[in-house]
Amino acid sequence: TQLLEQSPQFLSIQEGENLTVYCNSSSVFSSLQWYRQEPGEGPVLLVTVVTGGEVKKLKRLTFQFGDARKDSSLHITAAQPGDTGLYLCAGARISNYKLTFGKGTLLTVNP
Amino acid sequence: KAGVTQTPRYLIKTRGQQVTLSCSPISGHRSVSWYQQTPGQGLQFLFEYFSETQRNKGNFPGRFSGRQFSNSRSEMNVSTLELGDSALYLCASSLRPVSNTGDEQFFGPGTRLTVL
Repeated sequence: TQLLEQSPQFLSIQEGENLTVYCNSSSVFSSLQWYRQEPGEGPVLLVTVVTGGEVKKLKRLTFQFGDARKDSSLHITAAQPGDTGLYLCAGARISNYKLTFGKGTLLTVNP
Repeated sequence: KAGVTQTPRYLIKTRGQQVTLSCSPISGHRSVSWYQQTPGQGLQFLFEYFSETQRNKGNFPGRFSGRQFSNSRSEMNVSTLELGDSALYLCASSLRPVSNTGDEQFFGPGTRLTVL
């Protein structure tokens, strides 16, 4: 059973479009992280959200942590080809910081 | 500052063989975690080492083992390889144990293992 469900699994869009990817769970997390992984590389941390309802912005990327700390979303405005990659969410349990990763959303932004 | 390095980057083995993967953490980082990444299961935690001691372990069979040296470099060993062990093996380093502190982890590029 996958603890963290990410959707969609694949997303292919044109440059300039907006998109949202989701990370959902029935479990409560103390914090949630988003990573981007490019081909041939390891994941790189984008953001960590820790408070229910928290919204963080990183240039054209907006991250939101659900009020109940069970879900999160990543919104990208005016996507660019450089945004192409695998976006992973990872949740840390309440009892410890052991991370559980979702399977990821593979985003392709076409020029 | 150099990032996390992993060697080798690519490896091809046959069923039944064993393999050893190496990870050098960022200078000053004392914690190393290992993950297996496959298309079907995603990124799954294998184990974490800090100060040469295993601090946390995932749900993998005993064929998967690891160790850490006094200079914080870590190795991971898989014995009696199976086809299902084909995966990208990632290591990540952090200053302190992630499982206790939530410190940021920095990932290496991974070792792509193919089992034939």
